[in-house]
Amino acid sequence: EIVLTQSPGTLSLSPGERATLSCRASQGVSSSHLAWYRQKPGQAPRLLIYGASSRATGIPDRFSGSGSGTDFTLTISRLEPEDFAVYYCQHYGSSLTFGGGTKVEIK
Amino acid sequence: EVQVVESGGGLVQPGRSLRLSCAAAGFTFDDYAMHWVRQAPGKGLEWVSGISWNSGSIGYADSVKGRFTISRDNAKNSLYLQMNSLRTEDTALYYCAKERSGWWALDYWGQGALVTVSS
Repeated sequence: EIVLTQSPGTLSLSPGERATLSCRASQGVSSSHLAWYRQKPGQAPRLLIYGASSRATGIPDRFSGSGSGTDFTLTISRLEPEDFAVYYCQHYGSSLTFGGGTKVEIK
Repeated sequence: EVQVVESGGGLVQPGRSLRLSCAAAGFTFDDYAMHWVRQAPGKGLEWVSGISWNSGSIGYADSVKGRFTISRDNAKNSLYLQMNSLRTEDTALYYCAKERSGWWALDYWGQGALVTVSS
């Protein structure tokens, strides 16, 4: 079973700054099966990125995804107030697996 | 507009059963696989179970295998999760989510149904 490890656990940044979030898989995975979600407090998760680098419908271009093999990255170019939330990566193999999450908090 | 709405949550004693429902609207339900994902209080996301469009392929997390059963009724645009032999560690918010074909991701989520297992 593939394990996804996200780092850092918490990222303290200011609005307008760039955020770089990491997701590492315990073994190589297909990029097409890697997704990212944002979960705001009290809300359901929302799909941001699928296929490691494709933005989902309605997702602004400040969000970008990259990576392959075991290392994947979600980058938020300029943090907006609504971006302070928890982010999860997800792999879809024989089952779905989520990473433990990265919390982006206001510094 | 795509909508998925969960119902059936509540307080239940350990060892008892509960059935969650998810009503879908705004898309052709029988074209898509569906999933249940849960989130324990203050914790991360955990996939519970998934079912293909025609119920031909079903999967479960090891933590619920043998206790939970996923099913769907395409005529009623509904997804279900029968939960038996509930444990305190099953306490969580249970989300129903639609899978986006070819994206290998979940593109619409409900607001969740809270299940509390406690004596």
